[in-house]
Amino acid sequence: DIQMTQSPSSLSASVGDRVTITCRASQGIRNDLGWYQQKPGTAPKRLMYAASTLQSGVPSRFSGSGSGTEFTLTISSLQPEDFATYYCLQYNSYPWMFGQGTKVEIK
Amino acid sequence: EVQLVESGGGLVQPGGSVRLSCAASGFTFINYWMHWVRQAPGGGLVWVSRINVDGSDATYADSVKGRFTVSRDNAKNTVYLQMNSLRVDDTAVYYCTRGGGPIDSWGQGTLVTVSS
Repeated sequence: DIQMTQSPSSLSASVGDRVTITCRASQGIRNDLGWYQQKPGTAPKRLMYAASTLQSGVPSRFSGSGSGTEFTLTISSLQPEDFATYYCLQYNSYPWMFGQGTKVEIK
Repeated sequence: EVQLVESGGGLVQPGGSVRLSCAASGFTFINYWMHWVRQAPGGGLVWVSRINVDGSDATYADSVKGRFTVSRDNAKNTVYLQMNSLRVDDTAVYYCTRGGGPIDSWGQGTLVTVSS
């Protein structure tokens, strides 16, 4: 099984900050990686797929990069509505695996 | 608009069974693989199972293999998750999701609580 290691598990940041979240796969997954945002009490929402393709309707301050085993999600200028928990998902092979999540909190 | 509406959750005793349903609308159901994802209280997301478009093939996480069965009725635009031999650590919100390279839509979730 492919394991996903996501870091950090949490971070504190201010509005306007640049934020980077990393996911590492235990073996190569090409670019078969998605990013999801989840706010408390709600279902997750897809932000990105194929590592760097922005989901329609998602602000351009979100970007993704990487291929193989290392991937990043970057928020270029954190906005109040971005405080949430973020998860990566590898869909290269079953069982699909989510990262452990990164909680982005207000500093 | 894609809609996925789960039902069937509730309180069940350890060793018991429950069947979750997910009614899909707003898209051509037969064109999509469907997945179940769960989230324990305060925990992260865990992929549980998937089923292909005609229901002939399914895959499961190791933690539920042999206990859970996913199925679908394309005439009713509904996917099911039969959960048997439930354990306390199966307690979670169960989300029905649409596979769209990868998961692109989620239901609101249904809570299954396994407790005596």
